[in-house]
Amino acid sequence: GAVVSQHPSWVICKSGTSVKIECRSLDFQATTMFWYRQFPKQSLMLMATSNEGSKATYEQGVEKDKFLINHASLTLSTLTVTSAHPEDSSFYICSAFPFGQLNTEAFFGQGTRLTVV
Amino acid sequence: GNSVTQMEGPVTLSEEAFLTINCTYTATGYPSLFWYVQYPGEGLQLLLKATKADDKGSNKGFEATYRKETTSFHLEKGSVQVSDSAVYFCALAGNNRLAFGKGNQVVVIP
Repeated sequence: GAVVSQHPSWVICKSGTSVKIECRSLDFQATTMFWYRQFPKQSLMLMATSNEGSKATYEQGVEKDKFLINHASLTLSTLTVTSAHPEDSSFYICSAFPFGQLNTEAFFGQGTRLTVV
Repeated sequence: GNSVTQMEGPVTLSEEAFLTINCTYTATGYPSLFWYVQYPGEGLQLLLKATKADDKGSNKGFEATYRKETTSFHLEKGSVQVSDSAVYFCALAGNNRLAFGKGNQVVVIP
């Protein structure tokens, strides 16, 4: 099956710094990628939809200036957590539908555990 | 809008027991339905899927049937193993995104 690679798988950063998380589709193109946040023992919360070549679409309540999303190519989307604070500590997961196959199977990255100290 | 409802609470059972996790959905049109599994510290992996009514998805001994009349996609396995311990998410694809249920933690005791 298709592969989505997410990097890094874990990161620890100091409060006030920024952290970039990458999501790559390795063997397919994805015009649309999704970023989720997951709290312990909870479901995935959709943060934003990343659109190649255009602005991301953020869900209600998600600060776009806090969580910067860039989708510069058909295989790469990045999420930057700016001026991170301890409350941003969470598990972040990306996913993608292969190009032309929206509403079919989505493929997920392995997730990034962010800890802000 | 589209939504998925999973039964509340964790599921704890003994090895070789029968597992059922209920999932119902609300959607317009004819969405595709999925079960994803998440092992600790990892992302989600597709377990099985069904794309139209009466389809049965199956994988690794797990099964789920797309029931349009009851808007359900219940997950079943006849004999669970300790290695099946994980969180299971029911999901629906529609409107260019996935809608997830809350997930169920399954713990299989030897």
